[in-house]
Amino acid sequence: GNSVTQMEGPVTLSEEAFLTINCTYTATGYPSLFWYVQYPGEGLQLLLKATKADDKGSNKGFEATYRKETTSFHLEKGSVQVSDSAVYFCALRGGSTLGRLYFGRGTQLTVWP
Amino acid sequence: DADVTQTPRNRITKTGKRIMLECSQTKGHDRMYWYRQDPGLGLRLIYYSFDVKDINKGEISDGYSVSRQAQAKFSLSLESAIPNQTALYFCATSPTGTSGGNEQFFGPGTRLTVL
Repeated sequence: GNSVTQMEGPVTLSEEAFLTINCTYTATGYPSLFWYVQYPGEGLQLLLKATKADDKGSNKGFEATYRKETTSFHLEKGSVQVSDSAVYFCALRGGSTLGRLYFGRGTQLTVWP
Repeated sequence: DADVTQTPRNRITKTGKRIMLECSQTKGHDRMYWYRQDPGLGLRLIYYSFDVKDINKGEISDGYSVSRQAQAKFSLSLESAIPNQTALYFCATSPTGTSGGNEQFFGPGTRLTVL
């Protein structure tokens, strides 16, 4: 079946620190992988995505590389800002699941000035 | 204006009451979804619809029903609310297509509390 496991939070960092949030997946077929971000009081919005192995998604200084050999899609940012404080969700869409997403449990990130 | 809207944004109700949460979208997407979010559990799919005549159960559909009144509207009902349905509910839409990278667009959420 399809499932996503992401590192549990909360994660607390100082501004300009390096961020890694781990995400691994189990999927049938060839999934697409996503990171969504949820800012306080808001809905989820797409942060980045990758649709095939070795693709790198990037946006707003965040990056994640689709690693088929390790079934991983870790989120990284070299220098976080206070405004990056949010909940981050890793998600996958399996090749045969007709559009539905499977989400990880979310990781709360808090960045202090 | 927001592309995906949800009403109400907050609702407090009592056990046994019937509740309807509404979702509207102006993105012209055929596919619509209802998720619930619980702390530490991520988002779980309740129901989804690929067009007006298509309704499918998700992983946690028990206690819920939906209605797709039009392409742009997808309502979620709790026929007899119970306290463990207290959660944050999200509606989402996505375009039709075979591309696995199609993004889902989320509404702002409805916070439901069942006393």
